[in-house]
Amino acid sequence: KAGVTQTPRYLIKTRGQQVTLSCSPISGHRSVSWYQQTPGQGLQFLFEYFSETQRNKGNFPGRFSGRQFSNSRSEMNVSTLELGDSALYLCASSPWDRGTDTQYFGPGTRLTVL
Amino acid sequence: EDKVVQSPLSLVVHEGDTVTLNCSYEVTNFRSLLWYKQEKKAPTFLFMLTSSGIEKKSGRLSSILDKKELFSILNITATQTGDSAVYLCAGINSGGSNYKLTFGKGTLLTVNP
Repeated sequence: KAGVTQTPRYLIKTRGQQVTLSCSPISGHRSVSWYQQTPGQGLQFLFEYFSETQRNKGNFPGRFSGRQFSNSRSEMNVSTLELGDSALYLCASSPWDRGTDTQYFGPGTRLTVL
Repeated sequence: EDKVVQSPLSLVVHEGDTVTLNCSYEVTNFRSLLWYKQEKKAPTFLFMLTSSGIEKKSGRLSSILDKKELFSILNITATQTGDSAVYLCAGINSGGSNYKLTFGKGTLLTVNP
């Protein structure tokens, strides 16, 4: 089975721009979560989608948004980028609805905001 | 707000040593605790713990959960340089339709030859 894939792997943007990141979960997984990882804050939960519905959102400003499509692929969008948004963005998929909580992470998108 | 605290934050040992990493949690509607290993890439899954007192084991790694005292430990015996990584634990809040992981800051383990 193919793992979680994320595109692009690296991205450089300037302040004020917006960015869209994509995540394709493991086949059959309907839960997709997004995380931001920085050296200072560690892994922080952004949001989780299940069957195209956002079930949970972390403590991030409204500039961070996401969506999930009917094939379970997910995108997250960050508008009006700030320097502090530079981070590794990880997505993880889970077969949560099949009785296991294990989350499988993708390789991440490294976002640099200049 | 859910909280997961790991200790120590960093640890340096010699090959062959045994280490114990700690994870305490305060998670509403606690469902499971996950352990991950992260090298210079995405976290890789180690263990999922749901029941108290049942040890999970994989090779030289083992982990156990105490739901009464709200903590978990990860043991690594006969450490090798390849065990050098950040070890993360996460608590899962799963009440109703909720499903949210809260990660600790991680323990940076360095194993010297």
